[in-house]
Amino acid sequence: QKEVEQNSGPLSVPEGAIASLNCTYSDRGSQSFFWYRQYSGKSPELIMSIYSNGDKEDGRFTAQLNKASQYVSLLIRDSQPSDSATYLCAVRSGGTSYGKLTFGQGTILTVHP
Amino acid sequence: DGGITQSPKYLFRKEGQNVTLSCEQNLNHDAMYWYRQDPGQGLRLIYYSQIVNDFQKGDIAEGYSVSREKKESFPLTVTSAQKNPTAFYLCASSIFSSGVQPQHFGDGTRLSIL
Repeated sequence: QKEVEQNSGPLSVPEGAIASLNCTYSDRGSQSFFWYRQYSGKSPELIMSIYSNGDKEDGRFTAQLNKASQYVSLLIRDSQPSDSATYLCAVRSGGTSYGKLTFGQGTILTVHP
Repeated sequence: DGGITQSPKYLFRKEGQNVTLSCEQNLNHDAMYWYRQDPGQGLRLIYYSQIVNDFQKGDIAEGYSVSREKKESFPLTVTSAQKNPTAFYLCASSIFSSGVQPQHFGDGTRLSIL
């Protein structure tokens, strides 16, 4: 089992729809969770971080965390063509002293007009 | 402006050659990291450093070396022992190495074999 696994994609949604990106992780002691967006040929940029169970909203983005189910998701409301990118889920495990982030393989999102 | 600068943007390596990728940050971050990204895959940790003059191996350190002589600099050398070096290399930094601090990335270096 992969340590961090994302829905395989690619995911295609029409403009204005809600895009739902999912991520599961294996280390039950994980403490911090991050979503990065990576445009083709570019480096990842942080879009959301979440540490506690529940929802965290920032503009059109909502991160959801359920530690009991070891599941974190990212919802993008009113999707725009500019949201088309690869979305990387990253998990920081608990019990490690150096803050290692483990990344999922990424989900490619395409928002079509 | 504060940020992480990686250079060069593109690099070509000949057989048997060592090459060094530069990473400089002016964010006053303590921790710095090197990742490798292959097409269609996530990021894999090569080396990380929490403080000056100290660094640890990540998941795929074989064929790579690093140094951390200054807080703001964390260069990565891809040695001739790394037989499959073609990849996108990303340097990141964070305020501290643990807790809830996110990592922020430079623009990356694309390395190819000639």
